[in-house]
Amino acid sequence: NAGVTQTPKFQVLKTGQSMTLQCAQDMNHNSMYWYRQDPGMGLRLIYYSASEGTTDKGEVPNGYNVSRLNKREFSLRLESAAPSQTSVYFCASSVAGQGLTDTQYFGPGTRLTVL
Amino acid sequence: AQSVAQPEDQVNVAEGNPLTVKCTYSVSGNPYLFWYVQYPNRGLQFLLKYITGDNLVKGSYGFEAEFNKSQTSFHLKKPSALVSDSALYFCAVRTVGGGSQGNLIFGKGTKLSVKP
Repeated sequence: NAGVTQTPKFQVLKTGQSMTLQCAQDMNHNSMYWYRQDPGMGLRLIYYSASEGTTDKGEVPNGYNVSRLNKREFSLRLESAAPSQTSVYFCASSVAGQGLTDTQYFGPGTRLTVL
Repeated sequence: AQSVAQPEDQVNVAEGNPLTVKCTYSVSGNPYLFWYVQYPNRGLQFLLKYITGDNLVKGSYGFEAEFNKSQTSFHLKKPSALVSDSALYFCAVRTVGGGSQGNLIFGKGTKLSVKP
């Protein structure tokens, strides 16, 4: 049981380049999330998918797009990377159906640098 | 609006001493509170959560948290700190209502340093 996996672990981009961050979970969870972590700011929600086939914006969605490919996979795409998107990106998943008591489980993160 | 605050950027403790990492919250309605830990270059790991009931919640690795409704606090505690407890700790509160129902709002994190 690998839990939540993310690829790649590290990435360096030039301004204007595009890339897709991949996330997969093997816990049969319904909900999946993308966060970014910046020093002194905690984690901020970019997008989430409450269930397969649905996606919604979080707190900081500008400059990103997501795809819930199937129940297991949730990808995050940067169409035209900017230095302000330099961050550590975390994917998470949760069972859902437990309402407000639902616990999220996190992947190991992707460290992205945009030059 | 829901929010969570961790008033200390860093907490320093000697090994074997008790530790407390502070968290205060602001929510409308009943609070649903979580603690996560992040070790260097790793993802967040779930420690414990408060839903309802007993104000003292026990979690992983010997940690516990005390919910205090009157002070709107949810402080993380451990009776005897270990060097291996050194990490970044995040408090989080579940949002209630609106388009993001069920999502977490995280505090900025508190770095715990335990010295031998």
